[in-house]
Order: sequence, then C-alpha cells, then structure tokens
Amino acid sequence: GAVVSQHPSRVICKSGTSVKIECRSLDFQATTMFWYRQFPKKSLMLMATSNEGSKATYEQGVEKDKFLINHASLTLSTLTVTSAHPEDSSFYICSASRETSGTLAKNIQYFGAGTRLSVL
Amino acid sequence: RKEVEQDPGPFNVPEGATVAFNCTYSNSASQSFFWYRQDCRKEPKLLMSVYSSGNEDGRFTAQLNRASQYISLLIRDSKLSDSATYLCVVKADGYNKLIFGAGTRLAVHP
Repeated sequence: GAVVSQHPSRVICKSGTSVKIECRSLDFQATTMFWYRQFPKKSLMLMATSNEGSKATYEQGVEKDKFLINHASLTLSTLTVTSAHPEDSSFYICSASRETSGTLAKNIQYFGAGTRLSVL
Repeated sequence: RKEVEQDPGPFNVPEGATVAFNCTYSNSASQSFFWYRQDCRKEPKLLMSVYSSGNEDGRFTAQLNRASQYISLLIRDSKLSDSATYLCVVKADGYNKLIFGAGTRLAVHP
C-alpha cells in the first residue's frame, strides 16, 4: 500500500487564489520531504527540500514567497502555491525519504500520488 | 550538460522483445542509482536500485559502469504492462537529493 499520502489529487482554481497541498508519511517519520514539479512530457524537477522544524531549502530559480513550505511535524509537509497563476499549472509531487534495513537499499524515496493543479 | 541524460525514445517494441535503456550521469560523486517507472499522469515508482555488481529482478536487469558513468536497464520478454516512462535517477553521497533524467518512454504493442 501507499507509504506517502498526498492530498488533494486534483485542484482547479481561479487565478490569484492560494492552494495548499499536503504530504504525509503514513507509517514512518520523515525528517526530510521533497517537493517536485513536473510539466507535461518533462522530468521531475526538485523545487525544495522540506526539513522538519526548520526552513525549507529551495532550488535555484524557485521563489520562496511563491511556494511556501511548512514541515511542522515528522509526518506532514505542506506546499502552498500563493496567488496562483496559469503558469503555475503543473503536476506537483512530494516524496519522503525512508531508511531501509541493510546496506543496499538505504534512503529510498517514496512518492505521493501527486497533485494536478490547473489555474484558470 | 544535463546531470542525468537519457534517450527520450519512444521505444516501440512488440510483446516478448528485449529492450535496453541507457543513461549517463555527470557527477562522479554520485553513489546511489535507481530506475523508477512512471505511468502516464501518475507518480514515479521505484523499479529497482542499481548496484555496482549489477543486479537482476525477474525480467529486469540493471548494470552500472562507474568508470564510464553509465547505467543501463534491460527488460526481457516485454509485456504490454511494461509500457511506461523509465526514469534514471542518481543521488550523490551524503545528499538526500535525487536527480532525475528526463525519462525514456517505452510502448509495448501486441
């Protein structure tokens, strides 16, 4: 079953509104979660690394004030797209890193199901 | 130069065919390597990790050549359900950040 839950799966909103997306690790604690963005037929691009209890680390070119990230607990990170515009329409995906036992499969990242945002 | 490069495809193959995907990475400090599978409009799912000695999981075989900074994925006896985009992913040691290739699209037809 899913180990990372992302909600909502689909959002349609008007230009200028803010949208909050939640990402939860279901049966493990994730001190670090990641937020990605994917345009059609393109690969995932990391937007930011969300750190529990501290500020997120944003990738170059990603506006901090536009994409607000909060990681208030070990199982929940949220991404808020503020004052959304049509160019923000995209597929947003979160992931959480989970330590696994053994030496060959450490820190596998598990992905949420994604949120498809359409800004009209 | 992109950090992870893949042939975008698409690869159109008949059922039962063997198909190979290649990937190169630019950061020699990369230590962990993965193949993820992504279906249309879905999230990526881990297909397999790639180990230095090469590894196999059923019909899937992954190889790593550190000297050439090259990773491969071989799929034998292709099934219709293998149709998807295959993402080559690398991670530098000490970092949790994954770097994704743009993906190679595979279409298996009857």
